[in-house]
Amino acid sequence: GDSVTQMEGPVTLSEEAFLTINCTYTATGYPSLFWYVQYPGEGLQLLLKATKADDKGSNKGFEATYRKETTSFHLEKGSVQVSDSAVYFCALSAGNAGNMLTFGGGTRLMVKP
Amino acid sequence: KAGVTQTPRYLIKTRGQQVTLSCSPISGHRSVSWYQQTPGQGLQFLFEYFSETQRNKGNFPGRFSGRQFSNSRSEMNVSTLELGDSALYLCASSLAGQRMGQRGYNEQFFGPGTRLTVL
Repeated sequence: GDSVTQMEGPVTLSEEAFLTINCTYTATGYPSLFWYVQYPGEGLQLLLKATKADDKGSNKGFEATYRKETTSFHLEKGSVQVSDSAVYFCALSAGNAGNMLTFGGGTRLMVKP
Repeated sequence: KAGVTQTPRYLIKTRGQQVTLSCSPISGHRSVSWYQQTPGQGLQFLFEYFSETQRNKGNFPGRFSGRQFSNSRSEMNVSTLELGDSALYLCASSLAGQRMGQRGYNEQFFGPGTRLTVL
């Protein structure tokens, strides 16, 4: 079945450091890929998306590129802020599964001032 | 435009009881999906409803059920609660359903969740 694997956290960085959170996937067909963010006590918010190979999703300084050859969708940000502290989820939506999202285990990011 | 709302936000039940959670999607959205979030299992898909029909179902026992009303509001019910059912239950709404095998995606908007504690 479809699956998403992302690096375990927590990831602790100092403000203005570079962030990478790795995400790899297994899916049949042509999945769409997503990064969601969850702040404490809240639901999930879509951070960025990519729907086909080589697409780059970007939002709020975060970027991720859909790499079909390595089945990866790594999240990056050049300079993190304290306000970026949250849990980040990589997810996919496979073409044969309706609206169902398959999520990775989540990575907690802690940014220290 | 109001977002996805879920009620109640917090709930405490005891083993063996049943519970009903409610989700109101964004106005105009016809698809509602439910997810369970636990520290051990992460985020797992429960089911999706579109136009009052269950379109897709995850790997959960029959104690977990749901329905959707004509106004797209959805409820999920868990009967005979177990301690392991303690979780954050998230609802997501989407503009449309998606046919199996159809490429593309429908962006899903999540509610704040209902925190269920089973004692």
